[in-house]
Amino acid sequence: KNEVEQSPQNLTAQEGEFITINCSYSVGISALHWLQQHPGGGIVSLFMLSSGKKKHGRLIATINIQEKHSSLHITASHPRDSAVYICAVAPIQGAQKLVFGQGTRLTINP
Amino acid sequence: DAGVIQSPRHEVTEMGQEVTLRCKPISGHNSLFWYRQTMMRGLELLIYFNNNVPIDDSGMPEDRFSAKMPNASFSTLKIQPSEPRDSAVYFCASSLLAALDTQYFGPGTRLTVL
Repeated sequence: KNEVEQSPQNLTAQEGEFITINCSYSVGISALHWLQQHPGGGIVSLFMLSSGKKKHGRLIATINIQEKHSSLHITASHPRDSAVYICAVAPIQGAQKLVFGQGTRLTINP
Repeated sequence: DAGVIQSPRHEVTEMGQEVTLRCKPISGHNSLFWYRQTMMRGLELLIYFNNNVPIDDSGMPEDRFSAKMPNASFSTLKIQPSEPRDSAVYFCASSLLAALDTQYFGPGTRLTVL
């Protein structure tokens, strides 16, 4: 079993829909990262969080440390949000290196 | 700042050849990471440096892979000899504080070994 599990693996939605991507992990962590990778390959860090909630524009990330779970929400989704979203955790035991989920491929149709 | 710079962006080589990938981190960042991304395995950490010192190289697949960071502004990842299974996108990233800070990724090097 992977230390970091994302769901769903693939998600297709219509423009304007509210999107939720989930990330569950099995180890104690110091921080959790959400990354975005557009077709063509560039990887951008969206959020780093260790508790509570963070918001940036239409993106919201939440984390529940007790339940070992994080969610990434996109409000009023747009075709330009189509990308792969990757969850990564920094385990407490792990020499400060990230462990990655397999990613969620999001497609937003106009 | 120009962000993390990687070169080359694309590399096509034949099996058995030596391949060298280069990375210039963001000025002032103390941590540098080399990642490999494949369809089958996703993103994997190969090695990371803190203050130019290799901290964890447990992800380096085998002795054919080596990485150096001779100074704070330059790192190389070398594969010798290369094999077709090394074909992947190799990303370099840097941060101020290892995995406890935002990581900034370079554009990646797409390596194809024929």
